[in-house]
Amino acid sequence: DVKVTQSSRYLVKRTGEKVFLECVQDMDHENMFWYRQDPGLGLRLIYFSYDVKMKEKGDIPEGYSVSREKKERFSLILESASTNQTSMYLCASSFFLEDRGLGSGNQPQHFGDGTRLSIL
Amino acid sequence: AQKVTQAQTEISVVEKEDVTLDCVYETRDTTYYLFWYKQPPSGELVFLIRRNSFDEQNEISGRYSWNFQKSTSSFNFTITASQVVDSAVYFCALSEAGPNLTGGGNKLTFGTGTQLKVEL
Repeated sequence: DVKVTQSSRYLVKRTGEKVFLECVQDMDHENMFWYRQDPGLGLRLIYFSYDVKMKEKGDIPEGYSVSREKKERFSLILESASTNQTSMYLCASSFFLEDRGLGSGNQPQHFGDGTRLSIL
Repeated sequence: AQKVTQAQTEISVVEKEDVTLDCVYETRDTTYYLFWYKQPPSGELVFLIRRNSFDEQNEISGRYSWNFQKSTSSFNFTITASQVVDSAVYFCALSEAGPNLTGGGNKLTFGTGTQLKVEL
């Protein structure tokens, strides 16, 4: 079974702090993703990475950065935490695999348990 | 731009009732993938099913079934004889396809989710 592990289930930080959320996957997946989940808004993509040291902005990258130094690890960084970044953060990973001429984008993403982050 | 709409915010049913969760999507791509995920109270999203845009066959897996209709851009999910353990938030999601999609990452666009409560 795929295992995606997020370093903390609950985290409380203060405004202005630099916050690191860590995610590790054990299935040699190429792709890794960070989402935040807010009531009524579903999951929104913050950043993703398709290879070591590669990263792409998602839909809501402002106030965040990421780091992928090793294939299995993808870190989300809140440079200067603010109260509007209080949320549930979900990490996911997937293979990159082309589907017999139908292109890529077909692999399910496997999610971690989430980190509930509160910024006070 | 892609969009996924889950108009039902919350559904409550009594155990053993059948329930259908609606999903309507928008995309300009001719090749795409649709997914359903389940998020139980523990928080981890669990992959349920994937469909590509060229496969309109309905699928049944135990008490779960999915109805994909391109004509109405819908991918609805039915649970037959619902059980308390089915209580969760269910997300529908859409992925673009393409071998050169930003190096291979398959970005998912999620709906806002439907909270299903199954009561005794």
